[in-house]
This record gives sequence, C-alpha cells and structure tokens, in this order.
Amino acid sequence: DAGITQSPRYKITETGRQVTLMCHQTWSHSYMFWYRQDLGHGLRLIYYSAAADITDKGEVPDGYVVSRSKTENFPLTLESATRSQTSVYFCASIGGQTEAFFGQGTRLTVV
Amino acid sequence: GEDVEQSLFLSVREGDSSVINCTYTDSSSTYLYWYKQEPGAGLQLLTYIFSNMDMKQDQRLTVLLNKKDKHLSLRIADTQTGDSAIYFCADQNRDDKIIFGKGTRLHILP
Repeated sequence: DAGITQSPRYKITETGRQVTLMCHQTWSHSYMFWYRQDLGHGLRLIYYSAAADITDKGEVPDGYVVSRSKTENFPLTLESATRSQTSVYFCASIGGQTEAFFGQGTRLTVV
Repeated sequence: GEDVEQSLFLSVREGDSSVINCTYTDSSSTYLYWYKQEPGAGLQLLTYIFSNMDMKQDQRLTVLLNKKDKHLSLRIADTQTGDSAIYFCADQNRDDKIIFGKGTRLHILP
C-alpha cells in the first residue's frame, strides 16, 4: 500500500537501551522528518533529511541519531534511551512543493 | 530560529464559528498548514495556503493569511462536535523545514 508507515506503533524499553524507530514511505519523497509530540510542547522537530545521505538537526536532536541510506527509509535511533525520551514520535515526508504526509505515530515509553 | 505561536485552548458553542489564530516569525515561509489531531490519532492535513495568497476557502474552512503581520487564522463555520480536536499551525520555509506550533485544543460546548 502506498503511504508512510511507522513501526513499531508501541514500544516499551528500559533506560540505557538502544531502540530504533522505523519510518518507510513509498512515494520516493525527498524530504523526511522526525517529530516528537509532548504535552505542553506540541510537535518538535528532531531531525530532518533533504535526500538520501543528507540529514540535518532540528530543534531537539540531542540523544538521537538518524540515517538515510535509502530514500524511502528514515530510521530514528535512541542510542541510550532516557525517561525524558518517553513521547509519541511522528515521521513525515514531503515531495517537492506538496503537503506533508504523516505516519500514525510511535508511542515510546522508557521505564 | 523560527517560531510558531498559538493559543493553547479555545471553547466554542456548537453551531458558532471557531477562529484559531497563529503567528510565526519565519520570513521565508513558502506554505502554511493547518493540521487536525483527534484523540489518540495522528495528524490529518486540513488545509494549506501558499505564502503569496491572502485567503483560501474550502467548504466550512476559511484560512486567512496576513503576511505583513505574519498572522494566520483558521475559521471553522458551523462548528460541530466532530470538530473537537487539537489544531496545529505549521510553517514550511524555503529549505522545506516544517515547524509546528504547540497546538490549540478546540472544545465544543453544547
């Protein structure tokens, strides 16, 4: 199916563990984004990518790592998860001058 | 850096019009968006406006853009209970980076 999908939808992990959130889009959109959504903060940009092998920091990049070896995938890795990274994570993509499409979100809980 | 500001809460009677306001600081905006998020759900694009437009109407939705004042508004006519949600304003700049406001929670009174 065409679209943008995130996996997993829900994840519980322990403090200090590495966890990777996956994002896959089928349109070959150039731009992809990772946001986190927290109460009182709305959506904050973590990292974005303009194309394969090009990534840039957003507003809150600390503690996160991204890669973009293929246009359609944009995984987000928490190298050593902390409780403050408990959040809902949204991936998005846009292609040229069109609307941004969002995934359904990944709810991550760090215990 | 760029910033997008919205009021956090709006309460409106069913059948009245809702007006949600947003201000932004980016001077290189290309598109401005309104997204809707219902409880437990992802973000749904409601409408967007090019930065060189003043107004866009789409059924019950009217978007007004004052580029000089960097002010964007979303008007929902004949507000219904199904409109109860959080509404996010977002600004896309020339580098295609998209920055969101904190969201306005729209509460519908019977």
